[in-house]
Amino acid sequence: DVKVTQSSRYLVKRTGEKVFLECVQDMDHENMFWYRQDPGLGLRLIYFSYDVKMKEKGDIPEGYSVSREKKERFSLILESASTNQTSMYLCASMEGYNSPLHFGNGTRLTVT
Amino acid sequence: AQKITQTQPGMFVQEKEAVTLDCTYDTSDPSYGLFWYKQPSSGEMIFLIYQGSYDQQNATEGRYSLNFQKARKSANLVISASQLGDSAMYFCAMRPTSGTYKYIFGTGTRLKVLA
Repeated sequence: DVKVTQSSRYLVKRTGEKVFLECVQDMDHENMFWYRQDPGLGLRLIYFSYDVKMKEKGDIPEGYSVSREKKERFSLILESASTNQTSMYLCASMEGYNSPLHFGNGTRLTVT
Repeated sequence: AQKITQTQPGMFVQEKEAVTLDCTYDTSDPSYGLFWYKQPSSGEMIFLIYQGSYDQQNATEGRYSLNFQKARKSANLVISASQLGDSAMYFCAMRPTSGTYKYIFGTGTRLKVLA
């Protein structure tokens, strides 16, 4: 069965800290995604990656960067966390073009 | 602009009854895919059903069916025989086929099933 694992379920960080959110998938999918979910706004795409070391900006990339050194792992980096980055972060992977997204359980990040 | 609209922020349904969750979309792409996801309080997004824009028949998966009306640009999710475990947020999503992997999500509908 498809498995996407996010390293932390809950995270509390201070303003200005560098934050790493890790995501691992075990399906050998080439495509991986980071979304942010806020009430009333749905899911918004931050970054996605279609291959190792390849990435593309989504709709809200400002304040974030990503790293994909291995196919199974896609990391989201908050270079200097701010309170407006308090949110639920969802990682997903996808096999092919008409395939559904497979999501992890999410990381609820609070920046104080 | 490409957009998904879910106009029902919250809905109630009695256990064992059917419920329809509305979704309308806007795209100029001739080919696209429509998806529904369920998000229980645990937070994980679960894929429910998929409809391709060229599919002739409405998609069905167990108790879930998608009422696809292409001319009206609507892709409503129908859940038959609701169960208490169906209480969750439901998101409609679209993936246009204009050479992108970007999905567009609606804002979601919170469904509560009453015993």
